[in-house]
Amino acid sequence: EDKVVQSPLSLVVHEGDTVTLNCSYEVTNFRSLLWYKQEKKAPTFLFMLTSSGIEKKSGRLSSILDKKELFSILNITATQTGDSAIYLCAGPTSGTYKYIFGTGTRLKVLA
Amino acid sequence: DTAVSQTPKYLVTQMGNDKSIKCEQNLGHDTMYWYKQDSKKFLKIMFSYNNKELIINETVPNRFSPKSPDKAHLNLHINSLELGDSAVYFCASSPAGAPRPQHFGDGTRLSIL
Repeated sequence: EDKVVQSPLSLVVHEGDTVTLNCSYEVTNFRSLLWYKQEKKAPTFLFMLTSSGIEKKSGRLSSILDKKELFSILNITATQTGDSAIYLCAGPTSGTYKYIFGTGTRLKVLA
Repeated sequence: DTAVSQTPKYLVTQMGNDKSIKCEQNLGHDTMYWYKQDSKKFLKIMFSYNNKELIINETVPNRFSPKSPDKAHLNLHINSLELGDSAVYFCASSPAGAPRPQHFGDGTRLSIL
């Protein structure tokens, strides 16, 4: 059965800390892995990873995919309180339109 | 300029009632989705339409019926609401083709009394 597993489930850090969020997956016909950030309302897109070993970066956030080991990590450096959110990863499976989401990592950054 | 908009934002109703949630996207996307997010924040796909054609129909009760009058709109009708239907329902859209990032609406919080 297709699944996406995230760890840790929750994390509390202080501003300035660096965090690493993990996502492992087993999906049929894997093509890509996506990361989203969900604050109060809609999940917003962060990264899409299709190639193994190539880091995607946006400001203090970066992500990388390991297709051999079937996992991805999301790094956030110099965390700020505005980074507090649920971070979701998702893999489309069985074709292109069915996305399996992980349970999310709830990150809280304390001032 | 909302890209994916859902109405209503909140819906509080009694068990047994029938209700609808509407979704519209102005991004020109071909594919639209309905997701259910439970109290533990687990996001699970329910339906997907590509250009008005149903392409994903997960194992949801047949009390849930999606309708796509055109590719910019995807509505969700729910009959005989039950307590377990309480959740946040998200609409999303994406361009057609290879897996693409989805754009989500702000969600409709459904509470069943």
